[in-house]
Amino acid sequence: AQSVSQHNHHVILSEAASLELGCNYSYGGTVNLFWYVQYPGQHLQLLLKYFSGDPLVKGIKGFEAEFIKSKFSFNLRKPSVQWSDTAEYFCAVNFYGQNFVFGPGTRLSVLP
Amino acid sequence: EAQVTQNPRYLITVTGKKLTVTCSQNMNHEYMSWYRQDPGLGLRQIYYSMNVEVTDKGDVPEGYKVSRKEKRNFPLILESPSPNQTSLYFCASSFAGYEQYFGPGTRLTVT
Repeated sequence: AQSVSQHNHHVILSEAASLELGCNYSYGGTVNLFWYVQYPGQHLQLLLKYFSGDPLVKGIKGFEAEFIKSKFSFNLRKPSVQWSDTAEYFCAVNFYGQNFVFGPGTRLSVLP
Repeated sequence: EAQVTQNPRYLITVTGKKLTVTCSQNMNHEYMSWYRQDPGLGLRQIYYSMNVEVTDKGDVPEGYKVSRKEKRNFPLILESPSPNQTSLYFCASSFAGYEQYFGPGTRLTVT
């Protein structure tokens, strides 16, 4: 079965620290890749997406992600986090234009 | 405004009393899906639908039913709710392969 894993369950950072959240998915083939963010008490919102082309994609709020096909990875980065980035982050993969699979999520806490 | 709506947003019910949570989207999306979110367990998919009259089980389908008679609607039915179905439920929709749009969530409590 297709699966998506995220490296960290809970990450705690101070403001201005750099962030990298890992995401790996099973198998290769045609995939579309996504990162979603869920702020406390809210629904999931799209941060960024990758379909094809430049493997470094930029999203909203200063986030970016890099697709490394050989490693089946799609890691999320931000050079300098803010307190307002405190949220849960989900990596998601769409396999072959069919069903979506979500990773288990990473909770990010940013200390002021 | 493009959106996914869910009703009700909050529901408290008793064990065994059938309920339906509605989901509707106005974006002409083929794909729709239901998830439940529980602390420490992330998002788990219940059912999904690739198009009208096409539905399939997700990771945790037991105790749930769905139907997709129209493209815009994808109701979630709990025939006999139990306390372990107390959760936060999200509906989502998308064009096949593209980003999903999520509804605001339905918080269900079964006593």
